[in-house]
Amino acid sequence: EAGVTQFPSHSVIEKGQTVTLRCDPISGHDNLYWYRRVMGKEIKFLLHFVKESKQDESGMPNNRFLAERTGGTYSTLKVQPAELEDSGVYFCASSQRLAGVYNEQFFGPGTRLTVL
Amino acid sequence: KNEVEQSPQNLTAQEGEFITINCSYSVGISALHWLQQHPGGGIVSLFMLSSGKKKHGRLIATINIQEKHSSLHITASHPRDSAVYICAVVSYNTDKLIFGTGTRLQVFP
Repeated sequence: EAGVTQFPSHSVIEKGQTVTLRCDPISGHDNLYWYRRVMGKEIKFLLHFVKESKQDESGMPNNRFLAERTGGTYSTLKVQPAELEDSGVYFCASSQRLAGVYNEQFFGPGTRLTVL
Repeated sequence: KNEVEQSPQNLTAQEGEFITINCSYSVGISALHWLQQHPGGGIVSLFMLSSGKKKHGRLIATINIQEKHSSLHITASHPRDSAVYICAVVSYNTDKLIFGTGTRLQVFP
């Protein structure tokens, strides 16, 4: 069974440009999470989808970030316009949604974003 | 103060040494992950635990819920164990992961 995949693995863009990151969760996983690690800091939660709905987007830094999960399958995270401080590694994770228990999250390989 | 604290931040060891990485947290949790990240690589979950102890090969993870503390042990360390080890707790009721800053381990031959 394929794991969580992310595309691209690395993106280098200039300040002011737009970048779209994609995450394909494990098939059948209703939960999809986005996380980010900026240089020298711990990984931080960005948002959580349950199927196509945003369950929690409290970690989104500002309105330059837009996440979507149309159809409840893959998700995209768009940064527009990108700023220097957006550089970091963006991780996606997915999990099943079984009621009453915590469902283990499985991580993708991450997308390294560099904004010049 | 971070809700999840790891120590040490950096650790060097000689091959064969016993390694311990500690994690303390201050929030209510439903589970705790120990994660591994190799340079330039993705994140791999080593353990998920909510009580007691788990063992996988040379790796052992323990958790004390009352003391809000977990440890990751590596026995007979090897250079291929060199990586960043991250403790992440699952916030109770939200399933949101809260991460420690990680421990960078280097094992020399």
